[in-house]
Amino acid sequence: AQSVTQLDSHVSVSEGTPVLLRCNYSSSYSPSLFWYVQHPNKGLQLLLKYTSAATLVKGINGFEAEFKKSETSFHLTKPSAHMSDAAEYFCVVSDGWPGGSYIPTFGRGTSLIVHP
Amino acid sequence: DVKVTQSSRYLVKRTGEKVFLECVQDMDHENMFWYRQDPGLGLRLIYFSYDVKMKEKGDIPEGYSVSREKKERFSLILESASTNQTSMYLCASSTPRKGFSTGELFFGEGSRLTVL
Repeated sequence: AQSVTQLDSHVSVSEGTPVLLRCNYSSSYSPSLFWYVQHPNKGLQLLLKYTSAATLVKGINGFEAEFKKSETSFHLTKPSAHMSDAAEYFCVVSDGWPGGSYIPTFGRGTSLIVHP
Repeated sequence: DVKVTQSSRYLVKRTGEKVFLECVQDMDHENMFWYRQDPGLGLRLIYFSYDVKMKEKGDIPEGYSVSREKKERFSLILESASTNQTSMYLCASSTPRKGFSTGELFFGEGSRLTVL
């Protein structure tokens, strides 16, 4: 069975400071992991994904995440926050081969607040 | 670009009414999903479909049904709307899992349903 826990429901940063959004997962198989972003009244957009290639994954808008199997973590980071980064962020896990479900499981989301 | 289109962005219905939410994707994706999004609960899977006329229940199917008569279209039906079905509904599509990799989800912009 797969599950994902986003450790913070809200994260508040000042513009120009680093961003860290934390995600822990549980998976019985080699997982695929994703981060999605949702701006107000919009659908979700893929930021980045890990699918058993490089453990450090770079995404759009300067975001990146590192897959750490020993810690079962997939934290999202950005060196310098911008006002436009204010949004809801979702961590998603999907069990991989050979016997996992391909149905993604979503975390409850982390709201990123960026102060001027 | 992949496009997932949800027919209505905002709907207001009365208790007991039948409600249809339509979703169309233009990338020939096999998988389609309906999620419900509520504050603090993340996205919860209602139903998904991996092929035409095929459907499987997700985590919260009660009070909902779906229809997939054509590959590009996946409809969510509320047979008798209730106030606790007031929510944001998100449709998504994806390619099937291939080997170690799970296809990413592509989302529509959502349909915000209010049941009075």
